[in-house]
Amino acid sequence: SQQGEEDPQALSIQEGENATMNCSYKTSINNLQWYRQNSGRGLVHLILIRSNEREKHSGRLRVTLDTSKKSSSLLITASRAADTASYFCATDAGGHDGSRLTFGEGTQLTVNP
Amino acid sequence: KAGVTQTPRYLIKTRGQQVTLSCSPISGHRSVSWYQQTPGQGLQFLFEYFSETQRNKGNFPGRFSGRQFSNSRSEMNVSTLELGDSALYLCASSLAGGYTDTQYFGPGTRLTVL
Repeated sequence: SQQGEEDPQALSIQEGENATMNCSYKTSINNLQWYRQNSGRGLVHLILIRSNEREKHSGRLRVTLDTSKKSSSLLITASRAADTASYFCATDAGGHDGSRLTFGEGTQLTVNP
Repeated sequence: KAGVTQTPRYLIKTRGQQVTLSCSPISGHRSVSWYQQTPGQGLQFLFEYFSETQRNKGNFPGRFSGRQFSNSRSEMNVSTLELGDSALYLCASSLAGGYTDTQYFGPGTRLTVL
C-alpha cells in the first residue's frame, strides 16, 4: 500500500502560473524526494529534502517539509508546457542499512500553453 | 556520466512463462533497487541490492527474485508469469543506498503478459 497521499490528483493550469502539489505521509522519515514522470517513462529526480530541513529550492522548484504534520509541498513557479507530467513524492524510511522508497499516488499536472 | 540503463525496454510474454530484466547502474553506484508500477497499485518497492546482497525486500511473492553481480549490474526474474504482472518495472541506482542518497531511475521495462 502507498505510504503517501498526494493532492490534488490532477491539476490543470495555464503557462506562467504557479503549481502547488501536496504530499502527506504516515511514518517517520529520513528524507523525502520528489520525482517527475512523463507518460509512463522513467522517473526523473527533482529534489531531496532531509528530515532536518524545512525548505529547499532548486531553480523554479521550492519544496517544504513539515515533519510535525507529516507533509510536504512542491511549488513550481512560472510553469511551462514542458512541466506537464506526473509528480510523485517518495519517502525514505531506511536507515544506514539501505533504502526503500515509498511513493505517493502522484499528481498529474497539465500546463496549457 | 551515463545514466541507469534497462534492457529490454519492452517485453511481451504469456502466462506461465518466466522473464529476466536487466539493469546497469550509474558507474560507481553500488546500490540497485527495483520497483513495479501499475495503474492500480502505483509504484511499489520490490527489492534492493548492495554489494551482491539483497538488503531490503518488499511485499511481493517469491516468484519475484533478483540478483546483483560484482560489477553492480542487477537482474530481476519473474517466474510463472500472471496477467497481473503486466507493469512498468523500474530500476534505480544510488551510491550506497543510504538515506542521504538520491535514487536515479532508469527508463523502465514495459512488461506485458498475455
